[in-house]
Amino acid sequence: DQQVKQNSPSLSVQEGRISILNCDYTNSMFDYFLWYKKYPAEGPTFLISISSIKDKNEDGRFTVFLNKSAKHLSLHIVPSQPGDSAVYFCAARTGSGTYKYIFGTGTRLKVLA
Amino acid sequence: EAGVVQSPRYKIIEKKQPVAFWCNPISGHNTLYWYRQNLGQGPELLIRYENEEAVDDSQLPKDRFSAERLKGVDSTLKIQPAELGDSAVYLCASSLRAGSSYNEQFFGPGTRLTVL
Repeated sequence: DQQVKQNSPSLSVQEGRISILNCDYTNSMFDYFLWYKKYPAEGPTFLISISSIKDKNEDGRFTVFLNKSAKHLSLHIVPSQPGDSAVYFCAARTGSGTYKYIFGTGTRLKVLA
Repeated sequence: EAGVVQSPRYKIIEKKQPVAFWCNPISGHNTLYWYRQNLGQGPELLIRYENEEAVDDSQLPKDRFSAERLKGVDSTLKIQPAELGDSAVYLCASSLRAGSSYNEQFFGPGTRLTVL
């Protein structure tokens, strides 16, 4: 079963506009949620995280929102830049000492100049 | 500071052959992960080490996969014999000791394995 889902395989946004990437999860025991960015032929790089006890975390142009009741999180990128074009993975960590990371299938973001 | 180093970057083998991947984590990182990423999917954990101890290998297909992390530093992941379905990117990641607060995982560039 897919505990972390990214239902949009791709997204295109104009440069300067907002990019919104979405992620849904099923396990209410996840304690951290993360976003990673991946360029071709490179490993994923950490972007931003949020604890399950928070509902928002902001880092520069990147903001992650967590809606626990809906089991939904989103990543907002404002303003979007061509260099943001990459595959974005949502991930969730199981707590209680297991510390296993479950990744979504990724969303390919293309920022058009 | 050097990041996570993996070798080789690419490997093409015929089915039933053995193959090994090597990973050197960031200095000082106690936790080391091996992931497999199939095409169009996210990374899936194969095994996690805390120092030299494998603390989670529940997803490792033990009939053909093995891993070791001698001395708690670098690690090797082996497949013997390889099957067509093993074609994937094998990613290594490391972090400071896993704990109640989140410690960032740093990923290597991965090894792309093609089994013919």
